[in-house]
Amino acid sequence: GQNIDQPTEMTATEGAIVQINCTYQTSGFNGLFWYQQHAGEAPTFLSYNVLDGLEEKGRFSSFLSRSKGYSYLLLKELQMKDSASYLCAVTILTGGGNKLTFGTGTQLKVEL
Amino acid sequence: DSGVTQTPKHLITATGQRVTLRCSPRSGDLSVYWYQQSLDQGLQFLIQYYNGEERAKGNILERFSAQQFPDLHSELNLSSLELGDSALYFCASSVEGTGAYEQYFGPGTRLTVT
Repeated sequence: GQNIDQPTEMTATEGAIVQINCTYQTSGFNGLFWYQQHAGEAPTFLSYNVLDGLEEKGRFSSFLSRSKGYSYLLLKELQMKDSASYLCAVTILTGGGNKLTFGTGTQLKVEL
Repeated sequence: DSGVTQTPKHLITATGQRVTLRCSPRSGDLSVYWYQQSLDQGLQFLIQYYNGEERAKGNILERFSAQQFPDLHSELNLSSLELGDSALYFCASSVEGTGAYEQYFGPGTRLTVT
């Protein structure tokens, strides 16, 4: 089976930097996604990592270490609108298709 | 707006009933995925279709079934509904089916079973 762990809640200050960690244990790993979800809304794509290393996209960066089963999402210059749930999701290739398994999400609260 | 549409937005029904949720993927996307999100379970993958064929199955109950039609829209059928089926049901689409591409999520259908 798959096991994905991420902190339940985090709080950070506007303008600061926050790092949200995700660890996973799975077989058939085919990539890791980060999604942002505001309450009651659909998840929106933030990043995708399949190889080790850092992917940077504006204020958001994501890092992956496949050997350690570890990823983090880095958010810089935090804004109030960044208050949301951040979902780590691992994709496993199975018989031509894929299963995307989501963690339970990290609720980030950005304060003044 | 992701380009994925879902209808209806809200659905209230009684236990034992059957409902159908509908999803239209983004133009050009061949893969459709269905997810269930409840407060205590998080986002759970149900099933994936690619160009009309079932590709991958997650934790989908036998009371639930889905299909993807030639025009690529998809329907999720939920039958013998129970109180525990109350959840937000999301459809997502991607350009292909290997999992290496981002999925675009629709706005969801909120199902309430009373």
